Amino acid sequence: DTEVTQTPKHLVMGMTNKKSLKCEQHMGHRAMYWYKQKAKKPPELMFVYSYEKLSINESVPSRFSPECPNSSLLNLHLHALQPEDSALYLCASNPGQGIREQFFGPGTRLTVL
Amino acid sequence: AQKITQTQPGMFVQEKEAVTLDCTYDTSDPSYGLFWYKQPSSGEMIFLIYQGSYDQQNATEGRYSLNFQKARKSANLVISASQLGDSAMYFCAMRDGAGNTGKLIFGQGTTLQVKP
Repeated sequence: DTEVTQTPKHLVMGMTNKKSLKCEQHMGHRAMYWYKQKAKKPPELMFVYSYEKLSINESVPSRFSPECPNSSLLNLHLHALQPEDSALYLCASNPGQGIREQFFGPGTRLTVL
Repeated sequence: AQKITQTQPGMFVQEKEAVTLDCTYDTSDPSYGLFWYKQPSSGEMIFLIYQGSYDQQNATEGRYSLNFQKARKSANLVISASQLGDSAMYFCAMRDGAGNTGKLIFGQGTTLQVKP
């Protein structure tokens, strides 16, 4: 299995809703990442987990809450989002030594009404 | 601070011709990695090619090659024999040399359109 999967593909939520994004990889990678990407812009790093521990939080608002229950799974819990949080959310993984490329999932397109 | 610059917001190329996408970078770290990713309209980021700062030869992967000029701090992507499926956004990225987190710094991207 050489891919990163993300669910759901699309998500529409209201500003009072609570939802979660899920990311999974079975390549034995020990580093996992969340990126946020607005249309026609580069991805912006949000969080990095290394060996299931949060190693980087790029000053992301607390309405985004990451979780890494095990080495294969990464969640992003969403609560009280704003319309400007609408974006493509990309998950990626890396073997963990900061070596070579990150493998990206297909992303979740989030719309906040 | 590390920085990646892509100066071409959009490019056109005729099918079957070659095209070069520009990328310059800035870093004071002697150890770094440079990447190119392709992002079709579907959204997935597809890894194309990698060049390490200590690599002696320019990287090649099929129709993709990286023109690495270390002294000029440039890492241009060359796509040979363009195909309609190459139409996408292309991002140049650099791995943050500090630590082992593998944090990537992206350029602003270049939109490539291949004409039939």
